[in-house]
Amino acid sequence: AQSVTQPDIHITVSEGASLELRCNYSYGATPYLFWYVQSPGQGLQLLLKYFSGDTLVQGIKGFEAEFKRSQSSFNLRKPSVHWSDAAEYFCAVSIWGAQKLVFGQGTRLTINP
Amino acid sequence: SAVISQKPSRDICQRGTSLTIQCQVDSQVTMMFWYRQQPGQSLTLIATANQGSEATYESGFVIDKFPISRPNLTFSTLTVSNMSPEDSSIYLCSTPTEQGTGELFFGEGSRLTVL
Repeated sequence: AQSVTQPDIHITVSEGASLELRCNYSYGATPYLFWYVQSPGQGLQLLLKYFSGDTLVQGIKGFEAEFKRSQSSFNLRKPSVHWSDAAEYFCAVSIWGAQKLVFGQGTRLTINP
Repeated sequence: SAVISQKPSRDICQRGTSLTIQCQVDSQVTMMFWYRQQPGQSLTLIATANQGSEATYESGFVIDKFPISRPNLTFSTLTVSNMSPEDSSIYLCSTPTEQGTGELFFGEGSRLTVL
């Protein structure tokens, strides 16, 4: 069965610092990969997605993610975080035709001023 | 992109009661999904609601506890029946964006607290 692991439950970084959130998946083929963000009291918003092609994908709000097949990873990065980036971040995977997302446990990001 | 509205946005409920959550989409969609997010947890799929047929429930979720209606292509309801404090969660409605990829639009969720 598919699974998604986000090893870091909670990360704290200083405003202006760089950020990397880790995501590993378990699946025999290349799945479709997503990062969603959930701000306090809000629903989930799609940050970026990977279906195929260039393994470095750009998303909204200055985020990017890199798909590494050899490591079964899809880590999310941002070169300089802003206080408004404080939120919960979820990595998710699906397989073609399944129409279902499997979510990781989430990583809560706290920004220090 | 689809706009999904959920009602209520939040509610406080008494143990043993039932609550129905409404989900309205601004366009016609074939599939709608209901997810649960327990406090501090990730999202778990409850069921898939297709118009004109019974909902398909995931393992661990049953129709008696979470009856779902899907009367048309823009609307669905999820009822949480005979609630207990363990049902305190955010319930999210979602619809797929592209066929076959799993990408979803989400509503803002309905936060239920059961006392």
